[in-house]
Amino acid sequence: TQLLEQSPQFLSIQEGENLTVYCNSSSVFSSLQWYRQEPGEGPVLLVTVVTGGEVKKLKRLTFQFGDARKDSSLHITAAQPGDTGLYLCAGDNQAGTALIFGKGTTLSVSS
Amino acid sequence: NAGVTQTPKFRVLKTGQSMTLLCAQDMNHEYMYWYRQDPGMGLRLIHYSVGEGTTAKGEVPDGYNVSRLKKQNFLLGLESAAPSQTSVYFCASSYSRGGVYNEQFFGPGTRLTVL
Repeated sequence: TQLLEQSPQFLSIQEGENLTVYCNSSSVFSSLQWYRQEPGEGPVLLVTVVTGGEVKKLKRLTFQFGDARKDSSLHITAAQPGDTGLYLCAGDNQAGTALIFGKGTTLSVSS
Repeated sequence: NAGVTQTPKFRVLKTGQSMTLLCAQDMNHEYMYWYRQDPGMGLRLIHYSVGEGTTAKGEVPDGYNVSRLKKQNFLLGLESAAPSQTSVYFCASSYSRGGVYNEQFFGPGTRLTVL
């Protein structure tokens, strides 16, 4: 069974701090996606990583795909209150018919 | 473009009642999905469709039925609601189902409470 495990489950930090969120699996994924979900809304795609070792940057967010394509990380530099939300990683299931989601990391950034 | 819309946004049911959740997308996507989101459980796939007239079971299909009579609409039905079906339901659609082009676009969700 493919599983995506995210850590930490909850993170509460002050504005300006740096943080890293992890998404790990024992399975190999062809690609991994990161979504952000704000309260009362549906998830929105942030990035897709495809190549092992790939690093993508989205302003203050840096995403990395592990060399073996089994894990990924999201690093936020100088977090802001607008970064508050639920961060979800997702990858294709083995049949390629749907996405498997991790349980998410809830981030709270206070000013 | 409205993207993915869901109706209703909120609903309270009594045990045993039935209801249908409607999802509509205006992006001409072939693939559509229904998820439920529960605290600490993440998003779990209920049913999905790879095109008009097709449906398939996901991870947690029991107690739900779906229909995709039109490409733009995906309906989720609860025939006899149970308290265990209290959840937030999300519909999503995507252009493809694999690789870098399977970005899923989500609706705003339906919050369902079954008493």
